[in-house]
Parts: sequence; C-alpha cells; structure tokens
Amino acid sequence: RKEVEQDPGPFNVPEGATVAFNCTYSNSASQSFFWYRQDCRKEPKLLMSVYSSGNEDGRFTAQLNRASQYISLLIRDSKLSDSATYLCVVNPGGYQKVTFGTGTKLQVIP
Amino acid sequence: DGGITQSPKYLFRKEGQNVTLSCEQNLNHDAMYWYRQDPGQGLRLIYYSQIVNDFQKGDIAEGYSVSREKKESFPLTVTSAQKNPTAFYLCASSRAGTNTGELFFGEGSRLTVL
Repeated sequence: RKEVEQDPGPFNVPEGATVAFNCTYSNSASQSFFWYRQDCRKEPKLLMSVYSSGNEDGRFTAQLNRASQYISLLIRDSKLSDSATYLCVVNPGGYQKVTFGTGTKLQVIP
Repeated sequence: DGGITQSPKYLFRKEGQNVTLSCEQNLNHDAMYWYRQDPGQGLRLIYYSQIVNDFQKGDIAEGYSVSREKKESFPLTVTSAQKNPTAFYLCASSRAGTNTGELFFGEGSRLTVL
C-alpha cells in the first residue's frame, strides 16, 4: 500500500457545484496533515492544514478521520479559479520527511 | 519580502553535462528539500536537509548531489549519471520539528536535456 494515495481524477464539475476529494494514508502514527494547491506549471502552495476537529476556510472544509486513516477536502460553490491539482501531504512526525500524494486534478467548467 | 528563490527558471543542458540548480531562502528555516516532478506525476523527494552540514537521501537520490554549507542555501547538482534529468525541480523549506508539513516552495527550475 502506498504511503499516501489520492484519486488522480480529473474531476470535471460545473461552476457552483460541491466537490470532495479523499486522501488515504498508511502510517497510523502520522501526526499532521495538509492540503496544497498546485496550478499548472507552478509550484505547490499551502491551502490549509487539517486538524482533528476539522477546519473550514471560506468555501473549503478539511476533515481528518484517524480511524479510517483518510483526510478529505470539500469545496463548495466551485469557481473557475478553483481549477488546479490538489495535493495531500502527510507528516509522520519527528524529523521524518513529509510525503506528498500524487494529486487530484479538478477542472471547473462554465 | 521573505521567500525562497530558485534559479535559473529554465535551463537547457546537453547530455553528459553536470548542471547546478540554485536554491536560496531568507525565511530562517532549518529544513530544506529538493523535489522532482514529471508531467502528470506527484512530487518525488531527491534530497533533504534538516540542519546545516547535514543532508539525507530521499527516494530518488541517484544521479544527484547536494551541499548545505549555509543555512540559507541548498544547491542541487544534476550529474551526468542521472538517466532522465528532464523534469521540473522544486526546492522547498520549512521549520524543522515535529509539525513540519508547511513547506514553502520556490517557483521551480525547469530542466531540459537536449
């Protein structure tokens, strides 16, 4: 099993739709989790951290399910500008390196 | 403005030549990383360094070398031993510690081997 797995998509959704991505991880001792956004041919940028209690930032909601070892990202009222690849990042803790998922591509269509 | 700077942005190299990619940060971060990204693929870790004068191999270190003589700088050399060097190279930095996961990336260097 891969350390971090994501559905590569692409997810093609109309403007205004709600879309959700999941990311599973294999190390049950992982300590922190993040979602990054990467636009085409650009560097990844931190979108949001994922907390055990869940967290929301505007139209974006991130959740962590430790029992099932996955994190999720929900985007409400999708905008054209949300089109990007969303990368899941898992930190095992201590001084170990973080692991990136391969990303889920989202295309919001008019 | 604090940030992380990579250069050059675009680089063309003939087969058999070594090339060095520069990465400088003024965020006072202890940890620095080099990733490689191929079209349609995720990020793969080449090398990382948690502290000056120390670095570790990542998942795909063969054909690459690094140095960490200064906290601010983490250059990557792509040697002629790297079989498929054409890729997008990303440098990142973060605070060292148990909650490392908030990485700050440079804009990347796109290497093409002719």
